[in-house]
Amino acid sequence: NAGVTQTPKFQVLKTGQSMTLQCAQDMNHNSMYWYRQDPGMGLRLIYYSASEGTTDKGEVPNGYNVSRLNKREFSLRLESAAPSQTSVYFCASREPGQGGDTQYFGPGTRLTVL
Amino acid sequence: KNQVEQSPQSLIILEGKNCTLQCNYTVSPFSNLRWYKQDTGRGPVSLTIMTFSENTKSNGRYTATLDADTKQSSLHITASQLSDSASYICVVSQSNAGKSTFGDGTTLTVKP
Repeated sequence: NAGVTQTPKFQVLKTGQSMTLQCAQDMNHNSMYWYRQDPGMGLRLIYYSASEGTTDKGEVPNGYNVSRLNKREFSLRLESAAPSQTSVYFCASREPGQGGDTQYFGPGTRLTVL
Repeated sequence: KNQVEQSPQSLIILEGKNCTLQCNYTVSPFSNLRWYKQDTGRGPVSLTIMTFSENTKSNGRYTATLDADTKQSSLHITASQLSDSASYICVVSQSNAGKSTFGDGTTLTVKP
């Protein structure tokens, strides 16, 4: 099992450009999450999907959109990137009621917006 | 407001020494508390999880404690190794589904 995979690993954008971060999990988990992590700060929830077909805003959703394409895949889109969105983005998945609701994280995407 | 505060922010110890990291929380209603280890450039990995009724749980050289009355947890690392150098994140989940609050983490550096 690959667990949670994310692409790309690194990305540099210019202000105003758009891009989509991809995330996939092969653990058959129902819930998936997108976080951002800024230097010296904790992970902050951007959006989450409790189950296929549903998405909800987290703590810092402005400037982002998400799509739960199917049970495996959850993508994060930046429509018009801003320097404030420079961060490391982590995707995670969880199966409610299993393993103490532990979230499994991907390796992260390091995004720089110039 | 639900908050998780960790201390110290950073810590440097010599290889072989023990250390204790602290986590205080105000999350309510409480469901569980987890400690994650995040190596540089990697995603967090779960170390331990504790529910309301548990006050100690071990995972090898890692021992977590929970005092639900004072809303405090600690992570004790015994006989530290260079590979323990990482950020340790405390995460507290609420009883309602999908809600977790992350601490800012403690960065541990183990030196030879």
